[in-house]
Amino acid sequence: GAVVSQHPSRVICKSGTSVKIECRSLDFQATTMFWYRQFPKKSLMLMATSNEGSKATYEQGVEKDKFLINHASLTLSTLTVTSAHPEDSSFYICSASSPNNEKLFFGSGTQLSVL
Amino acid sequence: AQTVTQSQPEMSVQEAETVTLSCTYDTSESNYYLFWYKQPPSRQMILVIRQEAYKQQNATENRFSVNFQKAAKSFSLKISDSQLGDTAMYFCAFMKHLNGGSQGNLIFGKGTKLSVKP
Repeated sequence: GAVVSQHPSRVICKSGTSVKIECRSLDFQATTMFWYRQFPKKSLMLMATSNEGSKATYEQGVEKDKFLINHASLTLSTLTVTSAHPEDSSFYICSASSPNNEKLFFGSGTQLSVL
Repeated sequence: AQTVTQSQPEMSVQEAETVTLSCTYDTSESNYYLFWYKQPPSRQMILVIRQEAYKQQNATENRFSVNFQKAAKSFSLKISDSQLGDTAMYFCAFMKHLNGGSQGNLIFGKGTKLSVKP
């Protein structure tokens, strides 16, 4: 199956700093990528849809100035958590659509801990 | 808006036995996809099985099969010959089919924690 690489897998940062998470489709081009957030023992909640070459579409309640998404190429989308605070601590997962748009492949996730 | 409901927060099964995980959904769409994803302790989301709504035949993947009842909006997952490695969270998910090849996002249920006991 298709491979989606997400980096870093784990990051610990101080409150007030910014953290960038990368999501790459390694063997296919992804015009659309999605960013999810997962709290402990909870389901995945969609944060935003990232479209190559255009602005991301954010879900209701997600602060676009807090969670900056850039999808500059067909194989890379980045999520930057700006001025991170402890409440931003969570597991963030990206996904990319398969070339036929019928499946989503997931990255391995990033555990963000803000001290 | 679409919703996905998994009514079993936790289930357990003995190794080598069969278990069925329930999932219901609500949608007004006629064309869509349904999925079961597995999330082991590593937290990597792994696609288990996929069903296209326009296909009446139930999808199967080795020991995994689904019972898709479109009229009832039900999509259960059956795991046969359960193995210890099947221990994981299982998420049922819905994806709307969009025209023009656009990609729809997944809407997830709350998950069922499955424990396979030796």
